[in-house]
Amino acid sequence: EIVLTQSPGTLSLSPGERATLSCRASQSVSSSYLAWYQQKPGQAPRLLIYGASSRATGIPDRFSGSGSGTDFTLTISRLEPEDFAVYYCQQYGSSQGLTFGPGTKVDIK
Amino acid sequence: QVQLVQSGAEVKKPGASVKVSCKASGYTFTGYYMHWVRQAPGQGLEWMGWINPNSGGTNYAQKFQGRVTMTRDTSISTAYMELSRLRSDDTAVYYCARDSGSAYWGQGTLVTVSS
Repeated sequence: EIVLTQSPGTLSLSPGERATLSCRASQSVSSSYLAWYQQKPGQAPRLLIYGASSRATGIPDRFSGSGSGTDFTLTISRLEPEDFAVYYCQQYGSSQGLTFGPGTKVDIK
Repeated sequence: QVQLVQSGAEVKKPGASVKVSCKASGYTFTGYYMHWVRQAPGQGLEWMGWINPNSGGTNYAQKFQGRVTMTRDTSISTAYMELSRLRSDDTAVYYCARDSGSAYWGQGTLVTVSS
């Protein structure tokens, strides 16, 4: 099973600041089958990025994904008030199934 | 538009089983795998497995092998997830999601296991 580790656990920032979230895999993620989700309390996860760097439909361009192999990054260029949430990475390239990282909470400083 | 509508909240006793449904609309049901993901209160997302609605084939996370059964009824475009021998730590919101890297999720079904 591919284990995903996210850092930091919590990121305290102000609106307008840049957020950089990390996701590291225990082994190489096949064909960059890496996604990022945003989740707010009481809501289902919302897909932001798939294929490591492709933005999902309707996602603002302040969200960007990068990386390959075992190291991936989600960057939010300028935080908007609605961006304060929990972010999860997910790998979906393994024949053993999907796994999620433990999440990074982005909260208001 | 694509919609996944799940069944309502359930309260179960330890040792019982629960069956959650996920009705799909707005796309060809048999064209995409359906995944099930759960989230315990205050915790992260946990993948449980998938079903191929076309063939009925399944792939379960090792943690749930022997306790989970995923089925589907193509005539009504509905996927099901049944979890047996429930324990208190199975209390969670259960989601269905179309395909991996999915933009389409159900609204979630809260399953509470309590004596």
